[in-house]
Amino acid sequence: DIQMTQSPSSLSASVGDRVTLTCQAPHDIGTSLNWYQQKPGKAPKLLIYDASNLQTGVSPRFSGDGSGRDFTLTITILQPDDFATYYCQQGDNFPRTFGPGTTVDFK
Amino acid sequence: QVQLQESGPGLVKPSQTLSLTCTLSDDSIRSGLYYWSWIRQHPGKGLEWIGHIYNSGTTNYNPSLKSRVSISSDMSERHFSLKLTSVTAADTAVYFCARESIREATFDVWGQGTRVIVSS
Repeated sequence: DIQMTQSPSSLSASVGDRVTLTCQAPHDIGTSLNWYQQKPGKAPKLLIYDASNLQTGVSPRFSGDGSGRDFTLTITILQPDDFATYYCQQGDNFPRTFGPGTTVDFK
Repeated sequence: QVQLQESGPGLVKPSQTLSLTCTLSDDSIRSGLYYWSWIRQHPGKGLEWIGHIYNSGTTNYNPSLKSRVSISSDMSERHFSLKLTSVTAADTAVYFCARESIREATFDVWGQGTRVIVSS
């Protein structure tokens, strides 16, 4: 299995902040990396696919970058609706695997 | 776009079989563009891919669950199903069905999730 790691596990931020979350794969996965947002009691929502492509309907305040092993998700001008847990997921191989998540909460 | 809805018992006894169904709002289960997947989330934890089925009936399972899991579908109907045998408390989780775009390897449509508790 491809064990994904994410850092930090949690971070505290304020409305209007810019935050950057990281995800790392144990080996080169190209750009087969997706990002999801999950709120309590809800299903995950796809934000970014193929490392840097914004899913239709997702705010352009979200952006993804990276290739190979290291990836980032950046949220600019943090909004109240953005406080959630964010997961990365590799699509390079089966079984599909997700990172352990980064929770963004209020400072 | 398609909507997914999970259904099934919320309580299963240890050693029994967990059975869930995911119902689609349209006929896209027959599309060759998607895998139809099950994913679970243990309480307060991350996401675990269980497996998927393709329109040909081909399945692929997480090796960690392969000996206990089966995913099936009657492609003439708008649903696919999950069976997990010999359950224990460790199988207590929220179970999601999801559509995976084959081209982009993304889970782009999700059901709302159904909570399953394994307890006597």
